[in-house]
Parts: sequence; C-alpha cells; structure tokens
Amino acid sequence: NAGVTQTPKFQVLKTGQSMTLQCAQDMNHEYMSWYRQDPGMGLRLIHYSVGAGITDQGEVPNGYNVSRSTTEDFPLRLLSAAPSQTSVYFCASSYEAGSNGAAFFGQGTRLTVV
Amino acid sequence: GEDVEQSLFLSVREGDSSVINCTYTDSSSTYLYWYKQEPGAGLQLLTYIFSNMDMKQDQRLTVLLNKKDKHLSLRIADTQTGDSAIYFCAETEAGSYQLTFGKGTKLSVIP
Repeated sequence: NAGVTQTPKFQVLKTGQSMTLQCAQDMNHEYMSWYRQDPGMGLRLIHYSVGAGITDQGEVPNGYNVSRSTTEDFPLRLLSAAPSQTSVYFCASSYEAGSNGAAFFGQGTRLTVV
Repeated sequence: GEDVEQSLFLSVREGDSSVINCTYTDSSSTYLYWYKQEPGAGLQLLTYIFSNMDMKQDQRLTVLLNKKDKHLSLRIADTQTGDSAIYFCAETEAGSYQLTFGKGTKLSVIP
C-alpha cells in the first residue's frame, strides 16, 4: 500500500496564482483532512471530509477550497495565493474515530508564495 | 476551546531517558496520541492512550496519563540519535475524527 500520497512535494507560486494540492489514499479511509504547519504553530486544521461528498471547515479555512468526489482523493485548492499561505501542507486520513482513528499522514507539500 | 500545550525544546544525552510533557484542557478528550516528525517528513504515529488508562508501554516508549491534572507524558528509554525529531501530542474526543495538536517538542539527542 502506498498510504497517503501528496503531490507535488515542492511548489513555488506567485501571489495571485491558483493551484491544487493533490492528496490520495489507498486505504479506503472515510475521513480525510488537510493541515498546514507553520514554525512554532504546530498543525492547524484547514478542511476535512468524513466521506465522499461531505466536507467541512476546520480552524483556518479562508483562502482554501476542497471537494471530495471519491473516497480516495481529497484535493486542496488555493484560489488566489498569498504570501501568508507559505507553509508546509499535510494531508491525513483515518479509518474511524477513536483508537483506530489515528491519522496517517502524507509526506507534505512545501509551498512558497512569492 | 481545546488547547494542547507542550514545551518547545528538550535536549538529552544519548543513552539517557527523555521525558516529553503535554497538557490539555478539554475534559472530554478521550484519545491522546504521540506523533513523531523527522526533518522533511510527515507525522508518524508512535502510540496512543485511551483516557481511562493510566499508563501504556510499548518497547522503549512509556506513556503516562494523569487525567485529573490533564497531563500526558512520553518517556523514551535509552534515547538514541535516531530519536532526534519533533514530537507532537494530540487529542480527540470520542466519536470524533478531528485531532487537536500541540505545537511540538523538538528533541535533540547529544552523542
């Protein structure tokens, strides 16, 4: 199993550009989520999904959109990139809530907005 | 709202034990997790504990939970240079998928 796969690993954008960060998992997990990691801030939840067709906002959703058309994929869209969105983005998935709800993380996408 | 606090840095000598501490505020926290992040990598689940447990041991790792004080600790015995990483404490409520993370503790192991 590949687990959680994120692409690209690195990306540089100009202010105002849009792009999509891809996330795919092959574990048939219902729950998927996106976090951003900033120095000294830990991980903050951007958006999450509890199943295909269902998404909701996390702690820091502004400037990001998500959709979940399949169980496997959960892309994150930056509508108009801003320097404040420079961060490392992690996608995670989990099978169920509780003890087995421990999240499996992708390797991250390091995004720089100039 | 929920809050998870950790000290930011810890430095230990190789072979010593490391103790990483975490406090949380949400009394409904049910599962508490420890994740490890090596440089340039994603987060790797190390262990978790259910809130009705006091202790959990897994090889070199010991997790202690003081539910009254909402205090969680991770002890790494015989710390090795490969244990150098950032360790995150996280919590979630029963039936919830959402994790709340601390800011992470950077463990540096001195040879």
